Amino acid sequence: QKEVEQNSGPLSVPEGAIASLNCTYSDRGSQSFFWYRQYSGKSPELIMSIYSNGDKEDGRFTAQLNKASQYVSLLIRDSQPSDSATYLCAGRGYQKVTFGTGTKLQVIP
Amino acid sequence: KAGVTQTPRYLIKTRGQQVTLSCSPISGHRSVSWYQQTPGQGLQFLFEYFSETQRNKGNFPGRFSGRQFSNSRSEMNVSTLELGDSALYLCASSLWGGQSSYNEQFFGPGTRLTVL
Repeated sequence: QKEVEQNSGPLSVPEGAIASLNCTYSDRGSQSFFWYRQYSGKSPELIMSIYSNGDKEDGRFTAQLNKASQYVSLLIRDSQPSDSATYLCAGRGYQKVTFGTGTKLQVIP
Repeated sequence: KAGVTQTPRYLIKTRGQQVTLSCSPISGHRSVSWYQQTPGQGLQFLFEYFSETQRNKGNFPGRFSGRQFSNSRSEMNVSTLELGDSALYLCASSLWGGQSSYNEQFFGPGTRLTVL
């Protein structure tokens, strides 16, 4: 079982819709979670961090964490074509940060 | 504030050679982590340095090594290169290392290594 799992996609949504990206993790010792956006040929860019159960909003992005279910999600409202990228979920456990393999998001104009 | 810088950006080497990659973290950041990214495996953790000490290490062979200097700059070295070492090598800096939960990592642009 991978430590952090994501559906590889692609997830296709029309412009203006809500994109929902999901991630599960196996290490119950993980304390903090991160969402990165990675455009093709570029390095990952941090877009959200979340440490407590519940929702955290930043502009069009909302991260959700449920430690009991070991589940993290990212909602992107009013999706734009510029949001088309691979989204990486990561969790920091005792020893290291572990990344999922990423979900490719395609926003269709 | 300047971001994380990595040099060189691109490298082409042949099997059996060795390579050294450099990373300068964000000013004030004391922790540097290295990752290997390939299409098949995704982002794989190599090692983390904090205050010139290796704090954590991933599941890579001993050919992969690193170090951190007193100014927090870090280098990683790969000896006896193999074809499978072709990858994007990413450096990430954070304020603190280890178990601190509030420890966001910021990535550099990466070094694209091609082994022929």
